[in-house]
Amino acid sequence: GIQVEQSPPDLILQEGANSTLRCNFSDSVNNLQWFHQNPWGQLINLFYIPSGTKQNGRLSATTVATERYSLLYISSSQTTDSGVYFCAVISNFGNEKLTFGTGTRLTIIP
Amino acid sequence: NAGVTQTPKFRVLKTGQSMTLLCAQDMNHEYMYWYRQDPGMGLRLIHYSVGEGTTAKGEVPDGYNVSRLKKQNFLLGLESAAPSQTSVYFCASSYTRLDQPQHFGDGTRLSIL
Repeated sequence: GIQVEQSPPDLILQEGANSTLRCNFSDSVNNLQWFHQNPWGQLINLFYIPSGTKQNGRLSATTVATERYSLLYISSSQTTDSGVYFCAVISNFGNEKLTFGTGTRLTIIP
Repeated sequence: NAGVTQTPKFRVLKTGQSMTLLCAQDMNHEYMYWYRQDPGMGLRLIHYSVGEGTTAKGEVPDGYNVSRLKKQNFLLGLESAAPSQTSVYFCASSYTRLDQPQHFGDGTRLSIL
């Protein structure tokens, strides 16, 4: 099946810093989503972005489908941004189920 | 608008006991999913449903059964719980499989002793 790799696995930043999280996938996809899992375990859907660029406040995401990667940008980090960020994809050639990466754990220090 | 609601939020079971986790959504979504999340890992799909009365196996279906008798509810059953099933379970729903994002419940933390 499709492989989804996220980097870095862990990221510690000072409040106010910017960050870039990366998601690489091994096959062409027709669905790519970014999720934030907060410290209480809740999963929040951030972006549905199989291609192109989207922005929502301090967060933006870009997917370059032809090169099989997606980037999540967080600007002016706040402590509430802490948590684990997951990328999840559905392959064009697989069983049409969402496959998750192992996540990037982001810790924002005040 | 409640979205996706999971009950219970926490449960401790002894090995061999059975239980059912309930997922309810009020968004009129066709597709519903059950995932498990183990420490340091992403979510893995257990079973899913593409509509009322239908179920299908996901990535890790062994030891679990599901039912979708009503469109808004998706039940996950453990017939004989094992310590390897200790995990956090998430339910999700989506209007369609490919075109819409998935909406998640808050999770059920299940411990099997």
